Amino acid sequence: SAVISQKPSRDICQRGTSLTIQCQVDSQVTMMFWYRQQPGQSLTLIATANQGSEATYESGFVIDKFPISRPNLTFSTLTVSNMSPEDSSIYLCSVVQGSTGNTIYFGEGSWLTVV
Amino acid sequence: TQLLEQSPQFLSIQEGENLTVYCNSSSVFSSLQWYRQEPGEGPVLLVTVVTGGEVKKLKRLTFQFGDARKDSSLHITAAQPGDTGLYLCAGAPGGGNKLTFGTGTQLKVEL
Repeated sequence: SAVISQKPSRDICQRGTSLTIQCQVDSQVTMMFWYRQQPGQSLTLIATANQGSEATYESGFVIDKFPISRPNLTFSTLTVSNMSPEDSSIYLCSVVQGSTGNTIYFGEGSWLTVV
Repeated sequence: TQLLEQSPQFLSIQEGENLTVYCNSSSVFSSLQWYRQEPGEGPVLLVTVVTGGEVKKLKRLTFQFGDARKDSSLHITAAQPGDTGLYLCAGAPGGGNKLTFGTGTQLKVEL
């Protein structure tokens, strides 16, 4: 199984600032995704992190607000830009491992509170 | 419009009781997954159901996939406090690995 490490695990951020979340996997994975989970709600897919190219964003999410990098097969970052209290959420990294792409793992999440 | 609707949204029961959580959609899924998420952690996969009508058992948990592959249920027998958590169904519309999650069911099992 893949072991996923996210940093920071928790942070309190000032309104208007930006924060970058890191996702490190202990093995090469075929796909990496970023999800958002707002307080008391389910998970919503933000984007697919593509190695060496621009991420693929879901409806309602844009690159200017959530720039994503994926320089290799084991690492990705998500930046939450110009934060407002509405961005207070848990941000989760998810990976797909295996040639069949059927096994999906989640990191423990990064809990951001914007004040 | 939420693609996957779960019911109930909240459930608080006593230890030893049985419960069923439902996951419904108007869309057909090639497979559905069930996850459990505990506070401060990411979702953990419990099971994947693939075949219409399929029933899978995981100790006290029984999962069923509807014949038309549009709905699923999770039944817990003799619930324990350790079953407390957020239960999420998820599927990938059109196949693939980009998951759409259900609305979630928050379960609390009390002594």
